[in-house]
Amino acid sequence: EDQVTQSPEALRLQEGESSSLNCSYTVSGLRGLFWYRQDPGKGPEFLFTLYSAGEEKEKERLKATLTKKESFLHITAPKPEDSATYLCAVRPWMIYNQGGKLIFGQGTELSVKP
Amino acid sequence: EPEVTQTPSHQVTQMGQEVILRCVPISNHLYFYWYRQILGQKVEFLVSFYNNEISEKSEIFDDQFSVERPDGSNFTLKIRSTKLEDSAMYFCAILKEGETQYFGPGTRLLVL
Repeated sequence: EDQVTQSPEALRLQEGESSSLNCSYTVSGLRGLFWYRQDPGKGPEFLFTLYSAGEEKEKERLKATLTKKESFLHITAPKPEDSATYLCAVRPWMIYNQGGKLIFGQGTELSVKP
Repeated sequence: EPEVTQTPSHQVTQMGQEVILRCVPISNHLYFYWYRQILGQKVEFLVSFYNNEISEKSEIFDDQFSVERPDGSNFTLKIRSTKLEDSAMYFCAILKEGETQYFGPGTRLLVL
């Protein structure tokens, strides 16, 4: 069964304290791995897409990496405005090549205190 | 600017009533999706819609649910007879840039 597990469930950081969020996945084949940010009561906001092991993407204080079994979202020198829930999702490989569903993890709730 | 907007933002309904949730993309897309998120739980896939047909649906998407594009632009999710357990945030998403799905702001549905 395809599955996504994120850890930790919650993370509290001081402003400037760098850390990493983990996303472990089990899929029959990986078509893509996605990171989203979700603020309370809002829809998931797209951050990164990773397609193959070894791939890395960066945006401001965030950097996403991918291996064959997991992905990390590294947060460097976070600010209070980075506080949100970070969601990881995978798109399993299917017979049809495009447009398949995403399977989400439960998210990591990040709180950054000034 | 968001890729999709959703209406209404909030909906309160009585158990057994029908609700229609709407998704309006800002430009033409081929793939549409509905997901839901029960409070405190994971985002769950409901259904995908391609070229005016359902391409995939989950176990959650039973006979009480239906989707359509009534006018070629809006994309709707109908729940025929709502249950208490249908209370959740419902998100529409579109496919863009390869495999990336962009989500709308959601409709918060509360069934009393």
